[in-house]
Parts: sequence; C-alpha cells; structure tokens
Amino acid sequence: EVQLVESGGGLVQPGRSLRLSCAASGFTFNDYAMHWVRQAPEKGLEWVSGISWNSGSIGYADSVKGRFTISRDNAKNSLYLQMDSLTAEDTALYYCAKDTQGTSGAFDFWGQGTVVTVSS
Amino acid sequence: AIRMTQSPSSFSASTGDRVIITCRASQGISSYLAWYQQKPGKAPKLLIHAASTLQSGVPSRFSGSGSGTDFTLTISCLQSEDFATYYCQQYYSYPWTFGQGTKVEIK
Repeated sequence: EVQLVESGGGLVQPGRSLRLSCAASGFTFNDYAMHWVRQAPEKGLEWVSGISWNSGSIGYADSVKGRFTISRDNAKNSLYLQMDSLTAEDTALYYCAKDTQGTSGAFDFWGQGTVVTVSS
Repeated sequence: AIRMTQSPSSFSASTGDRVIITCRASQGISSYLAWYQQKPGKAPKLLIHAASTLQSGVPSRFSGSGSGTDFTLTISCLQSEDFATYYCQQYYSYPWTFGQGTKVEIK
C-alpha cells in the first residue's frame, strides 16, 4: 500500500524558514518523480515544486522560485521542501504527491498534508 | 506559465444528471491533462490522466476528452458521492498548473 506521510509543518514567523519532509513507502521511490502541492485555506490547489526520479529535473512555481528548494533522498525514501523567507501568502496545507512517471505525469497518490502557518 | 481556466466555477445538479466540466489551457498542452476530485477535508484523488485515461479504480461514469487547449470531464450519471470540487491540471511544461476548480453542489 502506497503511503506518503508529511511532517515539519507548524507556526513560523514571517521571514523565517521551515523544512518539510515526506516519508514514502509501498512503492519503489526512486522510480518516480515527486511533487509538493499546497492549498491555502478555502482556496484551490497550487503546484509548488516537483523533482524527477534522479533529481535531474526540478521545477518551481513562480510564487516560490528563489525561496523554496526541493530535494529527495532515494536511499531514505524521502522528499523534502526547504522553505525560506516565508510570507503570510505561504500559509497553506502542503501535500506531498507521487507522480505516475519518473519525470512528468499526473499525481496518483497524495499524503494527508502538513499545515504551515506564517504569522507573527 | 500556462493558465488553466475551468468553467463553470460552481453549479448545482441532481443525482442522475449528466455533468460536463470544461477546462481550457492558455496554450497547447497536447494530452498532458489530468482531472482530480477533492472532497472537504480530504486529499485530491486522481480521476483521469493523459486527458482521457481513466485511473484504476475510478468508476466508468467518469470520462475525459480533448487535446491541445480544450478539455472536458463528463460524469454520465451523477451519484451522491460525486458532489465535490474538481480540478484540471496540466503537466506539459513547468510550472505545472491547476485550474481554479469547479464545485458541484446538490440541487
């Protein structure tokens, strides 16, 4: 059974940093691209960042480019999102999602998310 | 970035209705289009990928069509469990982008 468990969310002050983690199990992690998707309260889905199976292809939403860094550790079956210079607009539920492909595809499994609140 | 525009943003329907949701891309995305269903408090669920391929386990009353810039999600006979918000998403080029969502409510 595929499982994606996010952690690392919490309350953080504007301008500070936070690192999210996603622990994956139930599939061959290093075969698939992985993504972070967020959802602000009462808003729609926003793709944040994605990373290919071998970290050779990485992309970011314009809203986070230069502030967020995605990475993965295939030996630990883990995905990460380093979030710097956080603002109130980054407040959201952050989902980890598994791609159907090694490079670019749809998202067939999602975690339950971790909440990030940016507030003073 | 490619902009995805869904219509309508919301509407009311009855069980048994045939429902069509449209999604338009601001530029051609071939068939790199997915549809998701999200219920309140839950993570999204993949319904269709590659514009028309039904994800394993998804009921056959869901179908997708289109290519290029115009796409549709059809629910042939709406069931009570289908009342939810639906999102399209392109994965043709970075940054991947979602539509704003279509909320299907009970009439």
